[in-house]
Amino acid sequence: NAGVTQTPKFQVLKTGQSMTLQCAQDMNHNSMYWYRQDPGMGLRLIYYSASEGTTDKGEVPNGYNVSRLNKREFSLRLESAAPSQTSVYFCASSDFRGPLHFGNGTRLTVT
Amino acid sequence: EDKVVQSPLSLVVHEGDTVTLNCSYEVTNFRSLLWYKQEKKAPTFLFMLTSSGIEKKSGRLSSILDKKELFSILNITATQTGDSAVYLCAPEDSNYQLIWGAGTKLIIKP
Repeated sequence: NAGVTQTPKFQVLKTGQSMTLQCAQDMNHNSMYWYRQDPGMGLRLIYYSASEGTTDKGEVPNGYNVSRLNKREFSLRLESAAPSQTSVYFCASSDFRGPLHFGNGTRLTVT
Repeated sequence: EDKVVQSPLSLVVHEGDTVTLNCSYEVTNFRSLLWYKQEKKAPTFLFMLTSSGIEKKSGRLSSILDKKELFSILNITATQTGDSAVYLCAPEDSNYQLIWGAGTKLIIKP
């Protein structure tokens, strides 16, 4: 049972480039989330999707877009990367009101 | 504004010691508090606490919530090197949104 799978594991971008982070879960969870984690700070919510077909902004949505492609997949897009977006990105999923299950993260560096 | 403070920020102990990690919070419309363990990669769920004074236990780990004083503690007894990790505390509000602390980095020396 794979749980939550994120790709890629690592990525280096130049300022202004775009990319999409992929996330898929096989636990039949309704809710999916994208977080970023920076040193010395707690996880910060970028976007979430409470169910298939819905997405909502979290605490730090600027510079990002998301797509809930189907129940399994939730992607995060950076249209024009900036150095401030250098971070570790985590995708997570949860059942209704249950704890979050996290992927192993994507380490993104923007130069 | 909602706030979560974990202390200490980091802690180094020897194998076999007992440790207590602290999490204090100020959250409007508090619903529950969750603890996670983060080793190299993904945070993994430890406990969800909703009621004051009721200890949750899993092996050598235990946790308790005080909703009057707005804090929670996570205890680890007879620590092992595998307990080395960052421990994250996350109160949850009534909209089921988590507010994450910065974590306590625990290092267990053999």
